[in-house]
Amino acid sequence: AQSVTQLDSQVPVFEEAPVELRCNYSSSVSVYLFWYVQYPNQGLQLLLKYLSGSTLVKGINGFEAEFNKSQTSFHLRKPSVHISDTAEYFCAVSEDTGGFKTIFGAGTRLFVKA
Amino acid sequence: EAGVAQSPRYKIIEKRQSVAFWCNPISGHATLYWYQQILGQGPKLLIQFQNNGVVDDSQLPKDRFSAERLKGVDSTLKIQPAKLEDSAVYLCASSLTAGVRTGELFFGEGSRLTVL
Repeated sequence: AQSVTQLDSQVPVFEEAPVELRCNYSSSVSVYLFWYVQYPNQGLQLLLKYLSGSTLVKGINGFEAEFNKSQTSFHLRKPSVHISDTAEYFCAVSEDTGGFKTIFGAGTRLFVKA
Repeated sequence: EAGVAQSPRYKIIEKRQSVAFWCNPISGHATLYWYQQILGQGPKLLIQFQNNGVVDDSQLPKDRFSAERLKGVDSTLKIQPAKLEDSAVYLCASSLTAGVRTGELFFGEGSRLTVL
């Protein structure tokens, strides 16, 4: 069965600084990987996804993530954050077993300070 | 395109009472999910439907939780009787047919349950 570990529960960072949110997963089969963002009192929305092909994936709002199969990681990065990026970020993995069961990590709260 | 609709947005009940949540997925989405998100945690999959059939309900506490998706469109999640630990946000999500390899889930805004 797949599992997801987000290594940081909270990440405080100053505005315009770079940020990396870390995610590791475990699975015995091929996986699809996702990052979702949740703003206060809202549902989750997709930031980016890795299905196949290039291991560097670009998403919305200037975020990108790199799939590293040997390290089973899918870290999320942004070169310069804004106050509006303050939110909860969830890494998720879906196993390619036909049923597309998607498992989420515990989340990382990104807090951008002025 | 209309998104995933959920109701009610908020519900407060006493323990041992019952509650029901409703979800209407995006039109044409065959797969529907219910997740439970406890404060400070990631969403936990409760049940997954493909059309009106259950694909996975291994994490659903079947002694108190039930869910149905009649006619393969909207869905209802029921809790009876509720316990204090059921306080959470219940998220509904939908996706295109699982065989279409996009895997993206579209979420509703959630139903926040408080059990007193």
